[in-house]
Amino acid sequence: GAGVSQSPRYKVTKRGQDVALRCDPISGHVSLYWYRQALGQGPEFLTYFNYEAQQDKSGLPNDRFSAERPEGSISTLTIQRTEQRDSAMYRCASRRRGPGTGVYFGDTIYFGEGSWLTVV
Amino acid sequence: AQSVAQPEDQVNVAEGNPLTVKCTYSVSGNPYLFWYVQYPNRGLQFLLKYITGDNLVKGSYGFEAEFNKSQTSFHLKKPSALVSDSALYFCALGRQAGTALIFGKGTTLSVSS
Repeated sequence: GAGVSQSPRYKVTKRGQDVALRCDPISGHVSLYWYRQALGQGPEFLTYFNYEAQQDKSGLPNDRFSAERPEGSISTLTIQRTEQRDSAMYRCASRRRGPGTGVYFGDTIYFGEGSWLTVV
Repeated sequence: AQSVAQPEDQVNVAEGNPLTVKCTYSVSGNPYLFWYVQYPNRGLQFLLKYITGDNLVKGSYGFEAEFNKSQTSFHLKKPSALVSDSALYFCALGRQAGTALIFGKGTTLSVSS
Protein backbone atom coordinates (compact mmCIF):
# COMPACT_ATOMS: atom_id res chain seq x y z
CA GLY A 1 0.00 0.00 0.00
CA ALA A 2 0.88 3.67 -0.05
CA GLY A 3 1.81 3.77 3.62
CA VAL A 4 2.32 1.51 6.59
CA SER A 5 -1.06 0.32 7.79
CA GLN A 6 -1.75 -0.95 11.30
CA SER A 7 -4.80 -2.54 12.85
CA PRO A 8 -6.59 -2.24 15.10
CA ARG A 9 -5.98 1.43 15.77
CA TYR A 10 -7.39 1.08 19.26
CA LYS A 11 -7.69 -2.05 21.36
CA VAL A 12 -8.97 -2.40 24.90
CA THR A 13 -8.50 -5.81 26.42
CA LYS A 14 -8.82 -7.41 29.79
CA ARG A 15 -5.78 -8.48 31.73
CA GLY A 16 -4.83 -12.03 30.90
CA GLN A 17 -6.22 -12.02 27.37
CA ASP A 18 -4.07 -12.47 24.27
CA VAL A 19 -3.81 -9.67 21.73
CA ALA A 20 -2.67 -9.67 18.11
CA LEU A 21 -1.62 -6.47 16.37
CA ARG A 22 -1.25 -6.39 12.63
CA CYS A 23 1.06 -4.45 10.37
CA ASP A 24 0.94 -4.14 6.60
CA PRO A 25 4.15 -2.45 5.43
CA ILE A 26 4.72 -0.32 2.37
CA SER A 27 4.62 -2.54 -0.68
CA GLY A 28 8.03 -3.92 -1.56
CA HIS A 29 9.72 -2.86 1.65
CA VAL A 30 12.17 -5.44 2.84
CA SER A 31 12.58 -4.53 6.49
CA LEU A 32 9.78 -4.33 9.05
CA TYR A 33 10.11 -3.03 12.59
CA TRP A 34 8.02 -3.08 15.72
CA TYR A 35 8.36 -0.38 18.34
CA ARG A 36 6.56 0.34 21.58
CA GLN A 37 5.94 3.87 22.81
CA ALA A 38 4.79 4.68 26.31
CA LEU A 39 3.26 8.04 27.12
CA GLY A 40 5.92 10.72 27.38
CA GLN A 41 8.61 8.51 25.92
CA GLY A 42 10.17 7.95 22.56
CA PRO A 43 9.57 4.76 20.60
CA GLU A 44 11.45 1.76 21.95
CA PHE A 45 12.67 -0.96 19.61
CA LEU A 46 11.09 -4.39 19.97
CA THR A 47 12.03 -6.49 16.97
CA TYR A 48 12.63 -6.41 13.25
CA PHE A 49 12.45 -8.60 10.16
CA ASN A 50 14.15 -8.71 6.81
CA TYR A 51 11.74 -10.47 4.49
CA GLU A 52 10.30 -13.28 6.63
CA ALA A 53 13.37 -13.72 8.83
CA GLN A 54 13.35 -12.24 12.29
CA GLN A 55 16.75 -10.59 12.53
CA ASP A 56 16.70 -9.10 15.98
CA LYS A 57 14.28 -9.66 18.82
CA SER A 58 16.44 -8.24 21.55
CA GLY A 59 13.88 -5.57 22.40
CA LEU A 60 11.01 -7.93 23.19
CA PRO A 61 10.52 -7.48 26.93
CA ASN A 62 9.71 -11.11 27.78
CA ASP A 63 8.48 -14.35 26.30
CA ARG A 64 4.86 -13.20 26.30
CA PHE A 65 5.74 -11.09 23.28
CA SER A 66 6.29 -12.65 19.88
CA ALA A 67 6.19 -11.54 16.28
CA GLU A 68 6.03 -13.20 12.91
CA ARG A 69 6.11 -12.25 9.26
CA PRO A 70 5.51 -15.59 7.54
CA GLU A 71 5.38 -14.43 3.92
CA GLY A 72 7.70 -11.48 4.18
CA SER A 73 4.94 -8.90 4.02
CA ILE A 74 2.27 -8.59 6.73
CA SER A 75 3.47 -9.00 10.30
CA THR A 76 1.67 -9.81 13.52
CA LEU A 77 2.84 -8.86 16.99
CA THR A 78 1.23 -11.08 19.61
CA ILE A 79 1.11 -10.40 23.31
CA GLN A 80 -0.01 -13.32 25.43
CA ARG A 81 -1.57 -13.04 28.88
CA THR A 82 -1.61 -9.27 28.71
CA GLU A 83 -0.74 -7.20 31.75
CA GLN A 84 -1.54 -3.60 32.53
CA ARG A 85 2.09 -2.62 32.01
CA ASP A 86 1.70 -3.68 28.37
CA SER A 87 -0.55 -0.66 27.76
CA ALA A 88 1.18 1.53 25.19
CA MET A 89 1.21 2.59 21.58
CA TYR A 90 2.66 -0.13 19.36
CA ARG A 91 4.20 1.21 16.19
CA CYS A 92 5.16 -0.63 13.05
CA ALA A 93 7.59 0.71 10.49
CA SER A 94 9.12 -0.44 7.25
CA ARG A 95 12.22 0.30 5.20
CA ARG A 96 12.90 -0.24 1.56
CA ARG A 97 16.17 -2.13 1.57
CA GLY A 98 17.83 -4.70 3.76
CA PRO A 99 21.42 -5.52 4.65
CA GLY A 100 23.83 -6.39 1.91
CA THR A 101 22.25 -4.13 -0.67
CA GLY A 102 24.27 -0.99 -0.13
CA VAL A 103 24.14 1.87 2.31
CA TYR A 104 20.92 0.52 3.73
CA PHE A 105 21.40 1.99 7.18
CA GLY A 106 20.73 5.40 5.71
CA ASP A 107 17.39 4.44 4.24
CA THR A 108 14.42 6.15 5.79
CA ILE A 109 12.19 4.14 8.08
CA TYR A 110 8.49 4.92 7.60
CA PHE A 111 6.03 4.51 10.43
CA GLY A 112 2.39 3.62 10.59
CA GLU A 113 -0.12 5.44 12.77
CA GLY A 114 0.22 2.91 15.54
CA SER A 115 -2.05 0.70 17.58
CA TRP A 116 -3.10 1.95 20.98
CA LEU A 117 -3.36 -0.93 23.43
CA THR A 118 -5.06 -0.50 26.77
CA VAL A 119 -5.10 -3.40 29.20
CA VAL A 120 -7.70 -3.07 31.91
CA ALA B 1 26.69 2.40 24.23
CA GLN B 2 24.78 4.35 21.66
CA SER B 3 22.23 6.87 22.78
CA VAL B 4 20.42 10.03 21.84
CA ALA B 5 19.25 12.79 24.14
CA GLN B 6 16.77 15.60 23.77
CA PRO B 7 17.49 17.86 26.73
CA GLU B 8 14.29 19.91 26.52
CA ASP B 9 10.86 18.46 27.18
CA GLN B 10 9.20 21.55 25.71
CA VAL B 11 10.16 24.47 23.51
CA ASN B 12 7.96 27.52 23.25
CA VAL B 13 8.36 30.05 20.45
CA ALA B 14 6.31 32.82 18.94
CA GLU B 15 5.13 32.55 15.37
CA GLY B 16 7.61 34.08 12.97
CA ASN B 17 10.55 33.60 15.29
CA PRO B 18 13.32 31.10 14.62
CA LEU B 19 13.13 27.80 16.43
CA THR B 20 15.68 25.26 17.58
CA VAL B 21 15.01 21.81 18.98
CA LYS B 22 18.12 20.27 20.47
CA CYS B 23 19.50 16.77 20.07
CA THR B 24 22.80 15.25 21.16
CA TYR B 25 24.05 11.77 20.51
CA SER B 26 26.62 9.24 21.56
CA VAL B 27 27.87 6.57 19.17
CA SER B 28 31.01 4.72 18.26
CA GLY B 29 31.64 5.15 14.57
CA ASN B 30 29.73 7.29 12.14
CA PRO B 31 26.30 8.51 13.24
CA TYR B 32 23.18 8.27 11.12
CA LEU B 33 20.75 10.83 12.48
CA PHE B 34 17.09 11.43 11.81
CA TRP B 35 14.32 13.79 12.86
CA TYR B 36 10.70 12.69 13.00
CA VAL B 37 7.57 14.66 13.88
CA GLN B 38 4.41 13.38 15.49
CA TYR B 39 1.18 15.31 15.11
CA PRO B 40 -1.78 14.43 17.34
CA ASN B 41 -3.43 11.16 16.33
CA ARG B 42 -0.98 10.71 13.49
CA GLY B 43 1.96 8.46 12.83
CA LEU B 44 5.58 9.48 13.04
CA GLN B 45 6.51 11.44 9.95
CA PHE B 46 10.03 11.63 8.60
CA LEU B 47 11.48 15.15 8.41
CA LEU B 48 15.12 14.79 7.45
CA LYS B 49 18.26 12.76 7.91
CA TYR B 50 22.02 13.07 8.05
CA ILE B 51 24.04 10.23 6.59
CA THR B 52 27.16 11.89 5.25
CA GLY B 53 28.21 15.03 3.40
CA ASP B 54 27.10 18.58 4.15
CA ASN B 55 26.62 19.35 7.80
CA LEU B 56 23.47 21.37 7.08
CA VAL B 57 20.64 19.10 6.03
CA LYS B 58 17.40 20.44 4.59
CA GLY B 59 14.14 18.58 5.03
CA SER B 60 10.40 18.83 4.79
CA TYR B 61 8.24 21.83 5.73
CA GLY B 62 11.19 24.24 5.76
CA PHE B 63 13.05 22.45 8.53
CA GLU B 64 16.78 21.98 8.53
CA ALA B 65 19.27 20.42 10.90
CA GLU B 66 22.90 21.07 11.58
CA PHE B 67 25.24 18.18 12.25
CA ASN B 68 28.11 19.12 14.54
CA LYS B 69 30.56 16.30 15.07
CA SER B 70 32.71 18.05 17.68
CA GLN B 71 29.67 18.82 19.82
CA THR B 72 27.94 15.53 18.93
CA SER B 73 24.78 17.44 18.17
CA PHE B 74 22.10 17.43 15.50
CA HIS B 75 19.81 20.35 16.32
CA LEU B 76 16.62 20.90 14.34
CA LYS B 77 16.02 24.44 13.15
CA LYS B 78 13.58 26.56 11.23
CA PRO B 79 14.07 30.25 10.42
CA SER B 80 10.44 31.25 10.94
CA ALA B 81 8.07 29.15 13.03
CA LEU B 82 4.43 28.53 12.13
CA VAL B 83 1.61 27.68 14.51
CA SER B 84 1.12 24.52 12.46
CA ASP B 85 4.65 23.41 13.44
CA SER B 86 3.37 22.70 16.95
CA ALA B 87 3.93 19.00 17.48
CA LEU B 88 6.13 16.41 19.18
CA TYR B 89 9.58 16.07 17.65
CA PHE B 90 11.86 13.07 17.95
CA CYS B 91 15.52 12.79 17.20
CA ALA B 92 16.75 9.30 16.31
CA LEU B 93 20.10 7.62 15.89
CA GLY B 94 20.76 4.83 13.44
CA ARG B 95 22.57 2.00 15.14
CA GLN B 96 25.95 1.08 13.77
CA ALA B 97 24.71 -2.30 12.59
CA GLY B 98 22.07 -0.55 10.59
CA THR B 99 19.14 -2.29 12.13
CA ALA B 100 16.79 -0.17 14.18
CA LEU B 101 16.63 3.45 15.27
CA ILE B 102 17.22 4.64 18.82
CA PHE B 103 14.88 7.49 19.69
CA GLY B 104 15.12 10.37 22.10
CA LYS B 105 12.22 10.95 24.47
CA GLY B 106 10.85 13.75 22.36
CA THR B 107 10.45 17.50 22.57
CA THR B 108 7.08 19.21 22.41
CA LEU B 109 7.22 22.32 20.26
CA SER B 110 4.55 24.92 20.94
CA VAL B 111 4.29 27.87 18.56
CA SER B 112 2.04 30.69 19.71
CA SER B 113 0.33 33.19 17.44
